[in-house]
Parts: sequence; structure tokens; C-alpha cells
Amino acid sequence: EAGVVQSPRYKIIEKKQPVAFWCNPISGHNTLYWYRQNLGQGPELLIRYENEEAVDDSQLPKDRFSAERLKGVDSTLKIQPAELGDSAVYLCASSLPTSGEQFFGPGTRLTVL
Amino acid sequence: GDSVTQMEGPVTLSEEAFLTINCTYTATGYPSLFWYVQYPGEGLQLLLKATKADDKGSNKGFEATYRKETTSFHLEKGSVQVSDSAVYFCALAKAAGNKLTFGGGTRVLVKP
Repeated sequence: EAGVVQSPRYKIIEKKQPVAFWCNPISGHNTLYWYRQNLGQGPELLIRYENEEAVDDSQLPKDRFSAERLKGVDSTLKIQPAELGDSAVYLCASSLPTSGEQFFGPGTRLTVL
Repeated sequence: GDSVTQMEGPVTLSEEAFLTINCTYTATGYPSLFWYVQYPGEGLQLLLKATKADDKGSNKGFEATYRKETTSFHLEKGSVQVSDSAVYFCALAKAAGNKLTFGGGTRVLVKP
């Protein structure tokens, strides 16, 4: 069974530029999460989807971050414009709605110069 | 709000030594508790979990017991190997499907 797929794995951009991350969850997993992991810290939730609906986006900085999950499968997270403080690893995870186990992708390491 | 506190690393051990990583949490109700592991160059993987008080999670020789009275979920392994070198994260979730709240992670280095 294929795991959670993320791309790109690495991205280097200059500040004020836009950037987008893509995630393909495990087949059949209705719940999708985006987390941000700063260096030396644990991941923190940005947004959680149940199918197409964003059910928890309280920690998403909506002035510059946006996300979508069209058709309830793949998801895209966008930052526009990027700031130096956005340098981090962006993790996507998915799970079945009744399961406590979240499966994580390899992450996208973003460096903003 | 909910929070997880775990001991800071790095923890450096010799092979076959006993490993303990302390984890305590603050949360209302009865959250599920997890240990995730991140091996060098790899993504986060679930190591073990416990969903109610006094439950013991175990996997790959690691164990952790959900202690409601001390709000703790300490990770232990009796004899570590070099291959156990990784970063370990304690986490909680208030309900199935809800977000995970993570501790800061503990880096473990096992030397031969």
C-alpha cells in the first residue's frame, strides 16, 4: 500500500515569493492534516480536512496561507508571500475518521532566503 | 490548552543500555497518547499508542503505560540498539481523527 506522498521534497525560495506544496493521502483516508515543524520542535497543526471540508483551521495564518482539498483527495497548501519565518518542514498526514493513527508523509523542507 | 512536555535531549547511550524518555501531558478528559519516532532521513512513524488509563502500548521492544494519576506516558526500552538512534515524539489526541499535539521531541543517540 502506498503511503502519503508529498512534493516537492525540498524548496528554496526568496522572501515575498509564492510557494505551493502538494499532498496525496493514503487511498480511502477521509481525514487529511497539514502540520508545520520548526527546527528542533514537534509538529503543529495548520489545518485539518474531513473530505473536502476544512474542520479545523484555527492555527492557519490566513493572511498568507491558504489550502484546498478539491474532490476530497489531494490537497495543496500555499503561502503567498513567503516570509523568512516560514522556513520549516511542512508535513501532510492522513487517517481514517475513526482511527487514532495518523500516517505521515516525508514532508517538504522549505527554506526562505 | 492541551500540551505535552518531554525531556530534552540529546540522550546518549551505549548499546544494550536501558532507555527511558519521560513524557507528561496536560489535557482535559481522556486523550489518547502516542509515541512517534523519526529515524534519520525518514518521516514520522507511529511507534505505539494507548487509548485509556492503565493501557500499555508496546512495539519493537518499546513500552509505555498510560498513567492517568500522574498524567504521564513514559517510553522505555530494556536494551537499545544502534538502530534505535532517532528522534522520539510524545503526542496526544483528544479524540480519533482530531489533531495531534506533540512534545518537542527527544533525540536519542546509541553508540556501539
